[in-house]
Amino acid sequence: SQTIHQWPATLVQPVGSPLSLECTVEGTSNPNLYWYRQAAGRGLQLLFYSVGIGQISSEVPQNLSASRPQDRQFILSSKKLLLSDSGFYLCACGQVRVNTEAFFGQGTRLTVV
Amino acid sequence: SQQGEEDPQALSIQEGENATMNCSYKTSINNLQWYRQNSGRGLVHLILIRSNEREKHSGRLRVTLDTSKKSSSLLITASRAADTASYFCFIEGTSYDKVIFGPGTSLSVIP
Repeated sequence: SQTIHQWPATLVQPVGSPLSLECTVEGTSNPNLYWYRQAAGRGLQLLFYSVGIGQISSEVPQNLSASRPQDRQFILSSKKLLLSDSGFYLCACGQVRVNTEAFFGQGTRLTVV
Repeated sequence: SQQGEEDPQALSIQEGENATMNCSYKTSINNLQWYRQNSGRGLVHLILIRSNEREKHSGRLRVTLDTSKKSSSLLITASRAADTASYFCFIEGTSYDKVIFGPGTSLSVIP
């Protein structure tokens, strides 16, 4: 079965520092991968999705970027964090049009101070 | 936009009562999934219902799907305090290689 590893679980970073969150997937090949952000007390917002290596689509303009250097690796980055980047970040893996559940990492709680 | 929308956004009930949450969407779908999130943690998959299905059950959960109205409902029967969580509908559309969450319903079950 598919599993997603996402780390770190919590992160406190100063404003202006860089960010790198990593997500790796096991048990599947050529998955669609997604990064979501959840601000405190709010819903989940799709940030990026990727249908293959090197293919990244951005849903909202922001201070973040994503990369997919390998089939089962998805990285969320920022060169300089803003206070507004604080939130809960979730990586997800899905096989679109196969009618299976999506799988989620455990999330990273990022606090920018 | 494929954004799903759950309602109500917040629901408070007594233990033992039933809780009903609804999700509406705007596009054609392959499937619709319901997830639970406890206190800002990771998501737990509850039920997936395909576009050609109308109803599914899993334990105390019942999900219906009406593709003509582009809506789904999640019913939790005989609620328990442990059901307190946020519930999200998750839409896999037919036109895009991405899935979209609704904003969620925050359910509080009072013992």
